[in-house]
Amino acid sequence: EVQLVESGGGLVKPGGSLSLSCAASGFAFNYAWMSWVRQAPGKGLEWVGRIKTKTAGGTSEYAAPVKGRFTISRDDSKNTLYLQMNSLKTDDTAVYYCATYRLATGTGDLQFWGQGTLVTVSS
Amino acid sequence: DIVMTQSPDSLAVSLGERATINCKSSQSVFRTSNNKNDLVWYQQKPGQPPKLLIYWASTRESGVPDRFSGSGSGTDFTLTISSLQADDVAVYYCQQYYATPLTFGGGTKVEIK
Repeated sequence: EVQLVESGGGLVKPGGSLSLSCAASGFAFNYAWMSWVRQAPGKGLEWVGRIKTKTAGGTSEYAAPVKGRFTISRDDSKNTLYLQMNSLKTDDTAVYYCATYRLATGTGDLQFWGQGTLVTVSS
Repeated sequence: DIVMTQSPDSLAVSLGERATINCKSSQSVFRTSNNKNDLVWYQQKPGQPPKLLIYWASTRESGVPDRFSGSGSGTDFTLTISSLQADDVAVYYCQQYYATPLTFGGGTKVEIK
């Protein structure tokens, strides 16, 4: 059974930093493209970014609102995805989900999702 | 960026009746290399993460009831729930994966009339 478990959310002041983790199990993590998606309270879904597999280059790509502030990384030895968030703004307040690209094809239909972790940016 | 526009924002349908949700992309998401549309539909219930229902615009994910169907091509897509059940109350999102950034529609809230 595929499981994705996010952790690390919490309350942080504007300008602060926070690091999220997503522990994966039940599938070959090293072969999976991974993504972060966020959802502000009462709002819709917003793609944050994604990271390719190491064999595909391991590169990350980001949405414009977070580019230069957020960094996605992965540790395949720990089956864990990370999201380092710096220079946080109140607009970054959201539930952050990790999700897999489709495992069989690597396409961007996000097949499996974690339960999410809430990040609140407030003074 | 490809803009995804859903309509309506919400709809109320009687149990057993049909629900239809529309999604329009600002440019075609049809991929000529495999003749498929890079369009996915998700269902999100309160307090839960999204659940993938339909991918490639019309292929049901394993385990998804056959009352859910997707159609359309190019820039115009539809999600149909043929006979609404109480368990289908949720917000439904379309998303394109033709290009990054991946982009979502604004969501359609489906309720029971």
